[in-house]
Amino acid sequence: DAMVIQNPRYQVTQFGKPVTLSCSQTLNHNVMYWYQQKSSQAPKLLFHYYDKDFNNEADTPDNFQSRRPNTSFCFLDIRSPGLGDAAMYLCATSREGVRSYEQYFGPGTRLTVT
Amino acid sequence: GDSVTQMEGPVTLSEEAFLTINCTYTATGYPSLFWYVQYPGEGLQLLLKATKADDKGSNKGFEATYRKETTSFHLEKGSVQVSDSAVYFCALGAQKLVFGQGTRLTINP
Repeated sequence: DAMVIQNPRYQVTQFGKPVTLSCSQTLNHNVMYWYQQKSSQAPKLLFHYYDKDFNNEADTPDNFQSRRPNTSFCFLDIRSPGLGDAAMYLCATSREGVRSYEQYFGPGTRLTVT
Repeated sequence: GDSVTQMEGPVTLSEEAFLTINCTYTATGYPSLFWYVQYPGEGLQLLLKATKADDKGSNKGFEATYRKETTSFHLEKGSVQVSDSAVYFCALGAQKLVFGQGTRLTINP
């Protein structure tokens, strides 16, 4: 089945130690998104890629970076995690041009910062 | 800007009860509307969607109708089950998804 895969599902990192979360998709969608979600709040969009074009949200901290080496993969890099960055990180994809703007989500990576 | 307002939770019901979770929106243009469900420790799953006024989305016994005149997209289910316990998010889609704050639903046996 076509899907969005996130690895790892659980990640523990130390305060200030860089960490990378990964997302892959078999849907061949050209748009990929990264969200941060805390305590069952609504997901907060950090940035998205339209093909190779990177689109950062205005309030996303510089501590968060992203890479998309190809259509299938997208990475979230947190350069110096703080305790406040502990959250669930969700990757999503969509196919631009589809009227509905429907997004498909991965299972998420829960990040713990110690 | 675009926004979504959801019925505040948490909501607790008994099994087989009727469910309504209210959702209203403010948007320019004609966005698509969605309900996503999130089970504990999981990502968001699309529950149903509607892409234009008067469309009814339905899935797994849940329904919601895109009401342009009342700017609403209320989620309903006639008989809930314990397995429906989750957090439900209403969202509107234009260039990006705009989410409501989520409603936690607990169904007791």
